[in-house]
Amino acid sequence: AQTVTQSQPEMSVQEAETVTLSCTYDTSESDYYLFWYKQPPSRQMILVIRQEAYKQQNATENRFSVNFQKAAKSFSLKISDSQLGDAAMYFCAYSSAGSGTYKYIFGTGTRLKVLA
Amino acid sequence: NAGVTQTPKFRVLKTGQSMTLLCAQDMNHEYMYWYRQDPGMGLRLIHYSVGEGTTAKGEVPDGYNVSRLKKQNFLLGLESAAPSQTSVYFCASSPSPGTSFRYNEQFFGPGTRLTVL
Repeated sequence: AQTVTQSQPEMSVQEAETVTLSCTYDTSESDYYLFWYKQPPSRQMILVIRQEAYKQQNATENRFSVNFQKAAKSFSLKISDSQLGDAAMYFCAYSSAGSGTYKYIFGTGTRLKVLA
Repeated sequence: NAGVTQTPKFRVLKTGQSMTLLCAQDMNHEYMYWYRQDPGMGLRLIHYSVGEGTTAKGEVPDGYNVSRLKKQNFLLGLESAAPSQTSVYFCASSPSPGTSFRYNEQFFGPGTRLTVL
């Protein structure tokens, strides 16, 4: 069975600085998707970025980028020029491409605090 | 286009009471999911559906039932609520393969906070 691990329950970053959130996963599959979701105090789950395992190039979305290391089964999220609005819970998620159900397996989350 | 909506947003139950949570989506998605979120445990899949009339168990299905009589709706039922079911419940939907380049992305509702006393 696949597992997703986020080993940092909480992180802090100064406004305008850069922070990296870590995520590791375990799977025997070769084709899958990885996601980072943001959950602000409103509770709404917001997709930040996604990565297809077959793509070697790391995904980027504006200030958000990932470091995808397939062999190491690592998928970290880098937030550049941190803003107060980035403060939230961040969840890493795994989805198998071959199961036909596209269920997510979530990590336990990292709470990010942004200090003014 | 409302996306994914959940009813109700908050609810307090007494142990042993029953209730149904309603999830509705207007994106014509085939797949729908119910998750629960507990502190320190992330989101865990309760039940899911890959099409109208189909349901399947997820990681934590005990104490819950679901139905998908219409494509746009996915109902989650608690027949006899227990304090251990106090949680925030999220519904999500996803397009099926071949219908959209975003077919593996899930779209989430705003959540329902349920407290069982």
